Amino acid sequence: DAKTTQPNSMESNEEEPVHLPCNHSTISGTDYIHWYRQLPSQGPEYVIHGLTSNVNNRMASLAIAEDRKSSTLILHRATLRDAAVYYCTTNAGNMLTFGGGTRLMVKP
Amino acid sequence: NAGVTQTPKFRVLKTGQSMTLLCAQDMNHEYMYWYRQDPGMGLRLIHYSVGEGTTAKGEVPDGYNVSRLKKQNFLLGLESAAPSQTSVYFCASRTGGVGYTFGSGTRLTVV
Repeated sequence: DAKTTQPNSMESNEEEPVHLPCNHSTISGTDYIHWYRQLPSQGPEYVIHGLTSNVNNRMASLAIAEDRKSSTLILHRATLRDAAVYYCTTNAGNMLTFGGGTRLMVKP
Repeated sequence: NAGVTQTPKFRVLKTGQSMTLLCAQDMNHEYMYWYRQDPGMGLRLIHYSVGEGTTAKGEVPDGYNVSRLKKQNFLLGLESAAPSQTSVYFCASRTGGVGYTFGSGTRLTVV
């Protein structure tokens, strides 16, 4: 199991970029890195995933370290609607294993 | 396209009662998963399925059974509910190379 480590919480100002870090030092070479977010009383929502190269989509960017032992989720301009718990996980053995995630608070 | 639908959304059970949670997906996904989430915690995998007719145990399988008789449905059963099974249950599905799609959850209380 590739375990992930994230800060418990982070704070950001509205309309500023946010960098959410994640360590996954035991990841194997074929495991994808996934990010999900969960708003209160909702199911997790897919944000982005990648293997080695940096990835961009309409929601966020994912920067993956060259040694793949860490990654950073980048929200380019945080909005109040981005306040959520963000989970970094890996798809080891065809399943996602979730840690405690990072609670992102966005200040107006 | 409804995605992943879970029924029921809420349920209260008495200790020792049984029930089945239904997860249905309309995306033709091969893989399906059942997770539970306790207050303030991350999700923990109960059981999963890599295809119709197959199931496998996750991190916390005790007290639960599952079946995947049809590709689009994944059922989670509690044979004799216990207060420790009070939780929010999430179903998810995926196909190769894409992210997981989660349902909106079933809030179960066992009294």
